Amino acid sequence: QVQLVQSGAEVMKSGASVKVSCKASGYTFTSFFIHWVRQAPGQGLEWMGIISPSGGGTVYAQKFQGRVTMTRDTSTSTVHMELSSLTAEDTAVYYCARVVTVAGVFTMFDPWGQGTLVTVSS
Amino acid sequence: DIQMTQSPSSLSASVGDRVTITCRASQSISTYLNWYQQKPGNAPELLIYAASGLQSGIPSRFSGSGSGTHFTLTISSLQAEDFAIYHCQQSYSKPYTFGQGTKLEIK
Repeated sequence: QVQLVQSGAEVMKSGASVKVSCKASGYTFTSFFIHWVRQAPGQGLEWMGIISPSGGGTVYAQKFQGRVTMTRDTSTSTVHMELSSLTAEDTAVYYCARVVTVAGVFTMFDPWGQGTLVTVSS
Repeated sequence: DIQMTQSPSSLSASVGDRVTITCRASQSISTYLNWYQQKPGNAPELLIYAASGLQSGIPSRFSGSGSGTHFTLTISSLQAEDFAIYHCQQSYSKPYTFGQGTKLEIK
């Protein structure tokens, strides 16, 4: 079955960088874009950006420009999201999600990875 | 950026009730609207896509409607497993923004 499996929880210091991985299985990795979304404790969902697994092209939310880098490794069907200059406000669960398109225009996220908790402490 | 606003933020209901959650967009998004269900400790799961399309495997008691700026998610007869947080999301333009979520609780 289609599955996205993420790396484990991380505890980081303020100012450090964190890299979260998302390994895809059950489908052709290069055929579907991957998005990253985060959710701070008790908060809503926040879109961070998108990566094309085939060409590696990325689009980042303006809020994270200059601080986030998304990459992919086609040999292992894995995408990575690295966030730098961490502060306590970056404490959140980070999700990857595959993009599915219907009728060539309607896009949706399905499935999602299980989430990776990143805790930033001073 | 397109702002998505859900109402109510929380809702108490009983098993068997009919429940409606509303999502409004700050500008017209046609029917580029998805709904997700999120249970505690779990990732969101796609329920409805393109405003009214029922995702495969989702029970028919879930339905979505709307276009432009006003959308609704309806659960026709609440079941115990439906108590969760519901999120709307626009896929009209990047950034793909979400509503703040509606927490559906047992009365």
